[in-house]
Amino acid sequence: GENVEQHPSTLSVQEGDSAVIKCTYSDSASNYFPWYKQELGKGPQLIIDIRSNVGEKKDQRIAVTLNKTAKHFSLHITETQPEDSAVYFCAANPNFGNEKLTFGTGTRLTIIP
Amino acid sequence: NAGVTQTPKFRILKIGQSMTLQCTQDMNHNYMYWYRQDPGMGLKLIYYSVGAGITDKGEVPNGYNVSRSTTEDFPLRLELAAPSQTSVYFCASSPPGYDYGYTFGSGTRLTVV
Repeated sequence: GENVEQHPSTLSVQEGDSAVIKCTYSDSASNYFPWYKQELGKGPQLIIDIRSNVGEKKDQRIAVTLNKTAKHFSLHITETQPEDSAVYFCAANPNFGNEKLTFGTGTRLTIIP
Repeated sequence: NAGVTQTPKFRILKIGQSMTLQCTQDMNHNYMYWYRQDPGMGLKLIYYSVGAGITDKGEVPNGYNVSRSTTEDFPLRLELAAPSQTSVYFCASSPPGYDYGYTFGSGTRLTVV
């Protein structure tokens, strides 16, 4: 089955700096890669996603890049703000027609004021 | 539009007791999922359903049961609670298809003592 590895497990950055979280996946047939943000005491919330026919997608300060050859995708947050502090999860769809996402183990991002 | 609603938010059970975690969604999503999240860990799939009357096991189904009699509701039943079931439980839903993100509920924090 699909295996998703996420690094780093914790990340601290100064406010205003950029943060990058990377995930690798094992199933070359995977074609959908969402990112979720989980604030303390809340459920994960979808913040951005990318499909396999696209190499990069941006939404204001966040962006996701996908390298299908290397089987990795990354979340980039620019101009970080205190409200970006949260746990971030990547996920991958194992194969076409299988709707169960496989999640990474999460990255706890802390923005230092 | 309430999204995915989970009740209760918190619960303490004694070993051997049983309970049902309720989950309802108002987005007419076909697919629904139950995950557990242990402290500092990622999300593990317990059970999922692709429609009313259809359920299937995920990674960690032992000790749990589900039913799906309507599109809206997907309750999770814990029989004979054990300390290992202490966790935060999240329900999620999604439209049919492999490339749609999940909408998560706010979670139920369960402690078994």
